[in-house]
Amino acid sequence: QQPVQSPQAVILREGEDAVINCSSSKALYSVHWYRQKHGEAPIFLMILLKGGEQKGHDKISASFNEKKQQSSLYLTASQLSYSGTYFCGTEKVEGSNYKLTFGKGTLLTVNP
Amino acid sequence: GAVVSQHPSRVICKSGTSVKIECRSLDFQATTMFWYRQFPKQSLMLMATSNEGSKATYEQGVEKDKFLINHASLTLSTLTVTSAHPEDSSFYICSARGREEGMYYEQYFGPGTRLTVT
Repeated sequence: QQPVQSPQAVILREGEDAVINCSSSKALYSVHWYRQKHGEAPIFLMILLKGGEQKGHDKISASFNEKKQQSSLYLTASQLSYSGTYFCGTEKVEGSNYKLTFGKGTLLTVNP
Repeated sequence: GAVVSQHPSRVICKSGTSVKIECRSLDFQATTMFWYRQFPKQSLMLMATSNEGSKATYEQGVEKDKFLINHASLTLSTLTVTSAHPEDSSFYICSARGREEGMYYEQYFGPGTRLTVT
C-alpha cells in the first residue's frame, strides 16, 4: 500500500526550513528517502531502520516513529540545490523479498 | 561507489517492435534488482523484482509476457518490452541493492530510460 506524503508541494526561499511527512497504514520495516530532479533518477538520501531512529547529514535529517508508522524529513537552511521531488519509500518484507513502495512525492521549490 | 548504469538512455521505436533495456551495477554486486516505471509527475511504480539466477517476481497488473526480465548475473539485469505499443511509452528506471557489507539495505537507481513508442 502506497504511503501518504504531505505536503504535495512546498515553495521556500533560500535559507528557510521545511518538513515533509510520510505515513503508512501498514507496519514498516524501514523508510527510505530519495530526491529526484526532473528527468533524472532518484538520488538516495537516507534510510531509517529502527523505531525512533533519527539520521542526518549536512542540513537534511529524518526521523522514523515505528509505532506511529510515520517518518519526517527535515530540511534546514534550504539551498537552491534542494529543489526537486522528494519521495519516501516504505519497505516491507514479503517472504524473501523486500519491497519498496514509494509515495506520490513532494515537490520542493527553493527560490533565491 | 554504488553506481548503476542503464542503456540506452533514450529509445524511440515503432509500435509492434521489441526493446531491450540493460541495467548494470558498475562497482558492486547486486543481490536484487528492481524495475520501476514512472509517468510524468507521478511516483515510481514497482514493476518487478529480480534476483540473480531466478525468475522475476512481478507486481500485480504487470504482464509477465510483455515485460520480460532476465537477471543473468550479479551485475546485469535486462528488461525487454515486447510488442511495444504507444501506451508503453514511459520512463523506466532500474535500481539495485548491493550485497557488500554496509550497503545491504540501500537501493541505488540507474539514470533511467525514456521509451517512446510511435
